[in-house]
Amino acid sequence: DAKTTQPTSMDCAEGRAANLPCNHSTISGNEYVYWYRQIHSQGPQYIIHGLKNNETNEMASLIITEDRKSSTLILPHATLRDTAVYYCIVSISGTYKYIFGTGTRLKVLA
Amino acid sequence: GAVVSQHPSRVICKSGTSVKIECRSLDFQATTMFWYRQFPKQSLMLMATSNEGSKATYEQGVEKDKFLINHASLTLSTLTVTSAHPEDSSFYICSAFSSGRTDTQYFGPGTRLTVL
Repeated sequence: DAKTTQPTSMDCAEGRAANLPCNHSTISGNEYVYWYRQIHSQGPQYIIHGLKNNETNEMASLIITEDRKSSTLILPHATLRDTAVYYCIVSISGTYKYIFGTGTRLKVLA
Repeated sequence: GAVVSQHPSRVICKSGTSVKIECRSLDFQATTMFWYRQFPKQSLMLMATSNEGSKATYEQGVEKDKFLINHASLTLSTLTVTSAHPEDSSFYICSAFSSGRTDTQYFGPGTRLTVL
């Protein structure tokens, strides 16, 4: 089962891009990378996911390296409301189960 | 987008009683639902996988007789904490999944259980 490694915490200035890295060096060829965030005392919110290609939606961009061993979530213009714990998850192949790591606590500073 | 609800949002009960938590997918049929628990300042821990019409699959270390899961329909799963004790106090979160939709889990808002 693939595992992910993320920095424990990061700060970002409001209005700047927030780049959150994730290592998943043991990912299998058919396993997706998912990103969620959790604001205090709420359920995780889906952000984006991808397999090989870079992805973009209204919330964020996901950059996956060519060897798929790492990825970066980009919030292009961080706001105070983006302060949350961000989880990078690789689902367990064939099961769609998620094993959550410790995530990155992002703090957006005014 | 996909909406998942949980009821109740918070519950306080006495030690020894049982508590039922409902998880509903409001705008799609969920072939699978997952149940997690989260202690303060910790990450989510997967408890069990629930497939409609079949028995739940529990993760190692999770007591199936204590945490009863029923997935009676494609939009409803319930988690019953039986004979609750203070150490069962936690934040319980469900997620709903539908293969072929987006292959993505959508999470409910969570239920805060406090056992006195």
